[in-house]
Amino acid sequence: GDSVTQMEGPVTLSEEAFLTINCTYTATGYPSLFWYVQYPGEGLQLLLKATKADDKGSNKGFEATYRKETTSFHLEKGSVQVSDSAVYFCALSDRGSARQLTFGSGTQLTVLP
Amino acid sequence: EAQVTQNPRYLITVTGKKLTVTCSQNMNHEYMSWYRQDPGLGLRQIYYSMNVEVTDKGDVPEGYKVSRKEKRNFPLILESPSPNQTSLYFCASSLTRAGDGYTFGSGTRLTVV
Repeated sequence: GDSVTQMEGPVTLSEEAFLTINCTYTATGYPSLFWYVQYPGEGLQLLLKATKADDKGSNKGFEATYRKETTSFHLEKGSVQVSDSAVYFCALSDRGSARQLTFGSGTQLTVLP
Repeated sequence: EAQVTQNPRYLITVTGKKLTVTCSQNMNHEYMSWYRQDPGLGLRQIYYSMNVEVTDKGDVPEGYKVSRKEKRNFPLILESPSPNQTSLYFCASSLTRAGDGYTFGSGTRLTVV
């Protein structure tokens, strides 16, 4: 079945540091890939998505590129801010299935001033 | 404002006392889903609905019921709650298939004692 593996957290960085959160996936079909962000006490928000190989999703300074050859969708940001502290979830949706998103376990990011 | 509204945000109840968590979306989305979020287990799908009167089980449906009588509403029913249903619950909706990306509600934190 489909699965998503994210790097273990928590991740603690200083403000303006470079961020990478690794995400790899296995899927039977040709999935769409997503990053969601969950701020404390809130629901998940869609951060960015990519629907085909080599697509780059971007939003709020975050980027992720759909790499079919390495089955990866790593999240990056060049300079993190304290306000980026949140839990980040990688997810996939199998295009052949209307059933659900499959989520990774989430990575807690804390950015210190 | 386009949103998914869940109620209540917090609920403490006793074992066996039936409860309903409401979910409503104002975006005319066809696809709605319920997830539970537990530490170390990530988000797991409980039920989903592809349209009015069309519902199906997710990964962890035991102990839950849903209904979809109207497009905008998708309530989650716990007929006889048990302590192992203590969790953070999220309702989500999508225009069509899950590949469009979900809009999540703010969550319902349920404690069953």
